[in-house]
Amino acid sequence: NAGVTQTPKFQVLKTGQSMTLQCAQDMNHEYMSWYRQDPGMGLRLIHYSVGAGITDQGEVPNGYNVSRSTTEDFPLRLLSAAPSQTSVYFCASSPPSAGGPYEQYFGPGTRLTVT
Amino acid sequence: SQQGEEDPQALSIQEGENATMNCSYKTSINNLQWYRQNSGRGLVHLILIRSNEREKHSGRLRVTLDTSKKSSSLLITASRAADTASYFCATNNQGGKLIFGQGTELSVKP
Repeated sequence: NAGVTQTPKFQVLKTGQSMTLQCAQDMNHEYMSWYRQDPGMGLRLIHYSVGAGITDQGEVPNGYNVSRSTTEDFPLRLLSAAPSQTSVYFCASSPPSAGGPYEQYFGPGTRLTVT
Repeated sequence: SQQGEEDPQALSIQEGENATMNCSYKTSINNLQWYRQNSGRGLVHLILIRSNEREKHSGRLRVTLDTSKKSSSLLITASRAADTASYFCATNNQGGKLIFGQGTELSVKP
């Protein structure tokens, strides 16, 4: 198993550009989530999904869109990049279980810089 | 927000000593989890404790949970230089969200 994969690893955008961060998992996990990590702020939840076709907002959803058309993929779209979105983005997945999520498996992260 | 808050923010100890990190949270939870992050890497799950459990062990890790005080602690015994990392607690309520705290940066000096 490759686990959770994220592409690209690094990205530089200009203000106003849009882009999609890709996340895929091959563990048949139903729960997937996106976090951003900023210095001194820990991880903050952007969006999450409990299964294909179902998404919901986390703590900091503004400026980001997600969709979940398949179990494997959970892309994160930046609609119009702003310098405040400069961060490291992590995708994670977790197996299905009532009362979850339980143990989450994290991808290696995407380091995004918006100039 | 029910974000967990870790204390201390940074901890520096010598190899062989024990390291204790604390986490406080605000609302009722289903479970509380601890993760580790090495510099520049993704997070790795260490241990999960459910709301009806008070203590859990895994190797050199010991986690306690006090739901009346809404707090948890992670103890790493006989620490090693390889334990140097950031440690995060994360809380899960019935809403399906896993919310992380700001983390404790642990440095273990050889």
